[in-house]
Amino acid sequence: DTGVSQNPRHKITKRGQNVTFRCDPISEHNRLYWYRQTLGQGPEFLTYFQNEAQLEKSRLLSDRFSAERPKGSFSTLEIQRTEQGDSAMYLCASSLEGGGSYEQYFGPGTRLTVT
Amino acid sequence: SQQGEEDPQALSIQEGENATMNCSYKTSINNLQWYRQNSGRGLVHLILIRSNEREKHSGRLRVTLDTSKKSSSLLITASRAADTASYFCATDAPQSSYKLIFGSGTRLLVRP
Repeated sequence: DTGVSQNPRHKITKRGQNVTFRCDPISEHNRLYWYRQTLGQGPEFLTYFQNEAQLEKSRLLSDRFSAERPKGSFSTLEIQRTEQGDSAMYLCASSLEGGGSYEQYFGPGTRLTVT
Repeated sequence: SQQGEEDPQALSIQEGENATMNCSYKTSINNLQWYRQNSGRGLVHLILIRSNEREKHSGRLRVTLDTSKKSSSLLITASRAADTASYFCATDAPQSSYKLIFGSGTRLLVRP
């Protein structure tokens, strides 16, 4: 399967703990995005990478959140000192710049539950 | 914050019927996309319509776009039980083509 993969698929953690999620985009895609989705809502943009450069961060991304994309390949999203309000589905997507295509390819998501 | 709203929030139809979902958005766009999400899973791209297009077809899907009303509709014809999912419209953000802004979605149930 050459689609976007995310690990883990599910994560249960206690409030105050740190968690890290991984996203492996489609290999030739140079753009990578993180979104957060809460129950009954559409995904909300968190941050965006073009290659290894993080070009935009949403105001939703507090200083407890950090994302990296070393070498422009996989990406990690870390949440420090988790809070119950962080419980959500975290979605990763990738796309290829250029060619007039704006379609984003989404991974299956990581569902985070903070107890 | 969400760019727009889908209407209705939930829709229940019989297999074989057509399903129509509407999306409204707030700012000018370059393009609008529709995505499908099966329960608890990632989103799958269905169709993209550019701001200079008024209608587009893909298989059993028909999308319309009215930029003067800032609205779009997705029609699924001859629905199947497998079409049961949530459907989201997504627009590109003002001044950018890479960031998608999603609506709150329509939950479609197709009864066999």
